[in-house]
Amino acid sequence: DIQMTQSPSSVSASVGDRVTITCRASQGISKWLAWFQQKPGKAPKLLISAASNLQSGVPSRFSGSGSGTDFTLTISSLQPEDFATYYCQQASRFPITFGQGTRLEIK
Amino acid sequence: QLQLQESGPGLVKPSETLSLTCTVSGGSISSGDYYWAWIRQSPGNGLEWIASVYSGGSANYSPSFQSRVTISRDTSKNQFSLRLTSITAADTAVYYCSRRGPESGYGLAPWGQGTLVTVSS
Repeated sequence: DIQMTQSPSSVSASVGDRVTITCRASQGISKWLAWFQQKPGKAPKLLISAASNLQSGVPSRFSGSGSGTDFTLTISSLQPEDFATYYCQQASRFPITFGQGTRLEIK
Repeated sequence: QLQLQESGPGLVKPSETLSLTCTVSGGSISSGDYYWAWIRQSPGNGLEWIASVYSGGSANYSPSFQSRVTISRDTSKNQFSLRLTSITAADTAVYYCSRRGPESGYGLAPWGQGTLVTVSS
């Protein structure tokens, strides 16, 4: 199985800050990495697919980059609605695996 | 617009079998290059993929569940289902269904709202 490791596990930031979350795969997965946002009591929402493709309707302050084993999700200027938990997911091969999550909290 | 809706019992007794159904509207589960998936999230924990069924009918399972899980589909009802045997308290979770396909770069989208399953006697 491909193990996905996110860092940090939690981060505190302020509105307007730039935040970067990283995800590392235990094997190369080319560009097949997705990022999700999850708010309490809600289903995860796909933000970015194929490492850098922003999904329709997702604000442009979200961006993704990387390939192979190392990936990043960047939020350029945090907004109040961005405080949530973020997960990465490898879409390269079965079994599908997720990172453990990064909780983004208000400072 | 594609929508998915999970249904099933909210409470299951230990050692019993859990059966969940995902009803899909706005798209056919038997056409296109799509995988239809079950994912769960235990209270306070992360996301765990359980199984997927391809539009053509083939299935893939997580090794963590392989021995006690079956995914199936009913194309006449546009539904796919999950069957998990030998349930324990560790299976208490919110269960989601979702789709994986080319439009979403093979990420999972959209998701159903989720259904909470509690395992308790």
